Amino acid sequence: DAGVIQSPRHEVTEMGQEVTLRCKPISGHNSLFWYRQTMMRGLELLIYFNNNVPIDDSGMPEDRFSAKMPNASFSTLKIQPSEPRDSAVYFCASTIGITEAFFGQGTRLTVV
Amino acid sequence: AQKITQTQPGMFVQEKEAVTLDCTYDTSDQSYGLFWYKQPSSGEMIFLIYQGSYDEQNATEGRYSLNFQKARKSANLVISASQLGDSAMYFCAMREGGGGSNYKLTFGKGTLLTVNP
Repeated sequence: DAGVIQSPRHEVTEMGQEVTLRCKPISGHNSLFWYRQTMMRGLELLIYFNNNVPIDDSGMPEDRFSAKMPNASFSTLKIQPSEPRDSAVYFCASTIGITEAFFGQGTRLTVV
Repeated sequence: AQKITQTQPGMFVQEKEAVTLDCTYDTSDQSYGLFWYKQPSSGEMIFLIYQGSYDEQNATEGRYSLNFQKARKSANLVISASQLGDSAMYFCAMREGGGGSNYKLTFGKGTLLTVNP
């Protein structure tokens, strides 16, 4: 099993540009989570999906952030337009039932 | 209100000694799960141990054990015989039920553990 796959691993973009982060969960997992990690705020849950349906997006900071899960094997997190304060490591995680969540390697986003 | 509280921003332990990392949680659900993750300096999130709310025995995984005190809503991680490679950030997390199969997974702020030689 390849685990949770995130791309890109690193992204540097200019302020105002659109950024799309991608995640492929583990096959068979029915829940997917997007987290943002910063030194100041720790690991913040942005949004999570169950069976491809967004269940709770209360952690999405602003309308500039949007997430989709068009099918069970793919999810995107989009930031448009990006700002320097969006710089962080973004993690995707997947799980099935109440068992442990498996994390991707993360995407380190830098907005300059 | 914070769901997961880790009161120790940083901890130091001598190699080969045991260390306890504190975690308290807040939930009104009857069914929930508690997790500990390790994040070394390389950045990946590594699952360590899981405790279900209905589990009567404390979970153990090798040198890791979870001291689960349900009435006090605490789920402390105990690492025995610390090794230099245990130096990392440790996160406590809770997955609580929203009904059906919808479970939200939230994390504490973490504790940075440093193991001294």
